[in-house]
Order: sequence, then structure tokens, then C-alpha cells
Amino acid sequence: KAGVTQTPRYLIKTRGQQVTLSCSPISGHRSVSWYQQTPGQGLQFLFEYFSETQRNKGNFPGRFSGRQFSNSRSEMNVSTLELGDSALYLCASSRTGGSGETQYFGPGTRLLVL
Amino acid sequence: KNEVEQSPQNLTAQEGEFITINCSYSVGISALHWLQQHPGGGIVSLFMLSSGKKKHGRLIATINIQEKHSSLHITASHPRDSAVYICAVTPGGTSYGKLTFGQGTILTVHP
Repeated sequence: KAGVTQTPRYLIKTRGQQVTLSCSPISGHRSVSWYQQTPGQGLQFLFEYFSETQRNKGNFPGRFSGRQFSNSRSEMNVSTLELGDSALYLCASSRTGGSGETQYFGPGTRLLVL
Repeated sequence: KNEVEQSPQNLTAQEGEFITINCSYSVGISALHWLQQHPGGGIVSLFMLSSGKKKHGRLIATINIQEKHSSLHITASHPRDSAVYICAVTPGGTSYGKLTFGQGTILTVHP
């Protein structure tokens, strides 16, 4: 079974631009969670989607948004990029997003904002 | 104060040594996870615990719910165990798909 895939793997943008990152979950997994990892703040939860609905959201500004498609693939978008948005963005999938489930992580997208 | 605290932050060991990484949390949880992250970023889930103890090969994870504490042990450590080990919790209640993370422990095992 194929693992979680994320595209692109690396991205360089300039301040003020917007960016869209993509995540394809493991086949049969309907929950996709997104995380941001920075050296200063560590790993932080962004949001979770299940059946095309955002069910949970972390403490990030509205510039961070996401969506999920009917095939469970998910995208996240960051508008008006700031230098502080430079980070590794990870997505993780699980069957239902329930509390008793292991999350399977993708390789991440490394975003550099100049 | 972070909801999930790990110690130590850095750990250096010689090959063959027994290693312990500790995790304390201050919130109600549904489950606790131990994750491994290698250089390059990929994260692998090692254990998910809600009580007791689990063992996989040379790795052992324990949790004490009353004391809100978990430990990850590595027996007979090897240089390939060098990685960042991250403790994470699934908060209690309705918390779909959310993990709250500790700051990680950087482990270096020398041959």
C-alpha cells in the first residue's frame, strides 16, 4: 500500500505571495491532518479534514486555509506569505481521525519564504 | 508551560547503552504517541499507548496515566537509532486528528 505523499517537496516563495501544498493520504484513509514544524515552535497542529469538512482547527491566522476533495486528497493554502511561514509542512492521514488511531505522516513540504 | 514536556532535550550515548527518554503531560489525553523523525523530516509512528506497556524489538514504551508520564526505552542502542524522538498526545474529548507535541529529544548514538 502506498504511503502518504506530499507535493511539492521543496518550494521557495517571496513575501506576499501565496502557496498551495498538496497531500494524498493512504488509500482508505479519510482523515487528513496538517502540521507546521519550525525550529522555534516545533510541531504545531494546523487543521484536520474528514469527508471534505474541517472538523478541527489549530491556533493559526486565517491566512492558513485548507480543503479536502471527495477522493480524500487535501490541499492547504497560505496567502500573503510572511518570512515566519518558512517551515516544514507535514500532513498525516488516518482512517477516521479518531483518538485511538495511528497517524501516518507524509515526507513533508519544505517551504522557504524570502 | 507546554502541555507536553520531554527530557532530556539532547542525549548522547555509546553504542550498546540503555537509553530512556521521558515525557510528561499536563492535559487529559485519549492516547500518547512516540514518534521518530530522521534528518530530512520524515516522521514514523513508533507506539500509540493509552495504558500499560508496549514493546517492539529493542524499543519499549510505558505510560502511567495517574502520574501523566511516559517513558521510551531503547535497549542495546545502535548508531542507526540516532534521530529525534517526539512525544505527542491526542487530547481528550472531541479532538479529531489533532496531536499536541513535545519539543523532541535529539538522540545521537556513537559507535
